[in-house]
Amino acid sequence: AQSVTQLDSQVPVFEEAPVELRCNYSSSVSVYLFWYVQYPNQGLQLLLKYLSGSTLVKGINGFEAEFNKSQTSFHLRKPSVHISDTAEYFCAVFSSGSARQLTFGSGTQLTVLP
Amino acid sequence: DAGVIQSPRHEVTEMGQEVTLRCKPISGHNSLFWYRQTMMRGLELLIYFNNNVPIDDSGMPEDRFSAKMPNASFSTLKIQPSEPRDSAVYFCASSMNRGLNTEAFFGQGTRLTVV
Repeated sequence: AQSVTQLDSQVPVFEEAPVELRCNYSSSVSVYLFWYVQYPNQGLQLLLKYLSGSTLVKGINGFEAEFNKSQTSFHLRKPSVHISDTAEYFCAVFSSGSARQLTFGSGTQLTVLP
Repeated sequence: DAGVIQSPRHEVTEMGQEVTLRCKPISGHNSLFWYRQTMMRGLELLIYFNNNVPIDDSGMPEDRFSAKMPNASFSTLKIQPSEPRDSAVYFCASSMNRGLNTEAFFGQGTRLTVV
């Protein structure tokens, strides 16, 4: 079975400050990793994904994430946040094993303060 | 492509009534997922289909919930009878689910309120 843990349910940060949203996963087979963003009253949009290759992945809106296999982590970072980045962020894992399904973490609410 | 299309966007119904939520996945996608999102429980996978066949329905909360996918371009999630605790946003998502194409695309959701 696979699972995703997002350690922080709420992350407040001031505008132009850096931010890191943490994500850890567990799976017994190879995984693909994703970060989705959900703005208020909207569906989820893909922010970035790791499938293979370079462990540092760059996504939209200046976000990036680093896959760390030894620590089973896929933390999301942005060097300088904007008010418009206020949203809920979901980490997700897709296992290449028999249970090919996308499992989401519980989400992290990022609030950017002026 | 217009993306994943869900209808209705909003549904308000009385307790005990039957509710049917609809989803049209992206053309060519072979996997379809139904999720429920609430403040208390976050995003929960209810059921997913691969090539129109239900693969895992362990997330369906009760027998009152049922889902069908009669063809590759349409799926329904039905709640009968509905209860106030079913109030949530229900998302449908689809993906190619072939090789490295595993990204899921989400619809805008159906906000269900059972009074």
